[in-house]
Amino acid sequence: DADVTQTPRNRITKTGKRIMLECSQTKGHDRMYWYRQDPGLGLRLIYYSFDVKDINKGEISDGYSVSRQAQAKFSLSLESAIPNQTALYFCATSDSGTGINEQFFGPGTRLTVL
Amino acid sequence: DAKTTQPPSMDCAEGRAANLPCNHSTISGNEYVYWYRQIHSQGPQYIIHGLKNNETNEMASLIITEDRKSSTLILPHATLRDTAVYYCIVANNAGNMLTFGGGTRLMVKP
Repeated sequence: DADVTQTPRNRITKTGKRIMLECSQTKGHDRMYWYRQDPGLGLRLIYYSFDVKDINKGEISDGYSVSRQAQAKFSLSLESAIPNQTALYFCATSDSGTGINEQFFGPGTRLTVL
Repeated sequence: DAKTTQPPSMDCAEGRAANLPCNHSTISGNEYVYWYRQIHSQGPQYIIHGLKNNETNEMASLIITEDRKSSTLILPHATLRDTAVYYCIVANNAGNMLTFGGGTRLMVKP
């Protein structure tokens, strides 16, 4: 969905480095999510936010942190990257006002940790 | 614990209907059945959802059994562009949590 953008699209980094992945949306949605996907597997939820300054842990939050300073932006940080954090990362948004669980996903960020 | 069970892969001939099954025998009364698909390594895309009645939209139809323990997603005239991984997810509408399992890899062949 072009209304949900992620930067960078690809990133190669080294073990121990701090990395930030950015997500921006122009859909005006209040809810935002970060997922990771490992090869051949489904997506797993890392963190989610239902509004500005609201942060909730997902299934696999260890080793990650997030920031939601504005409704349109949700950042994911890896404080000290490790090789098993190599994965495809997706940001998603949804509108609590619709009453349904339709999430809109960004194009993904492919992260490689050497 | 996985809430849904799907076959890992299926083939379908182009132009024919693709019927993708999903078992969700432990579904709760307030949980909906959602279907998403993921084409190659793109972000997943919402397809359709339902509670207990059959649903149809421009993309697909969703058939839910009367006991709600299983459902079938139907793509009426599959095209090559429908080749993707299809995820069946049960979720309520309150928390907006989606739990993705392994999905079904649908291959549409000419």
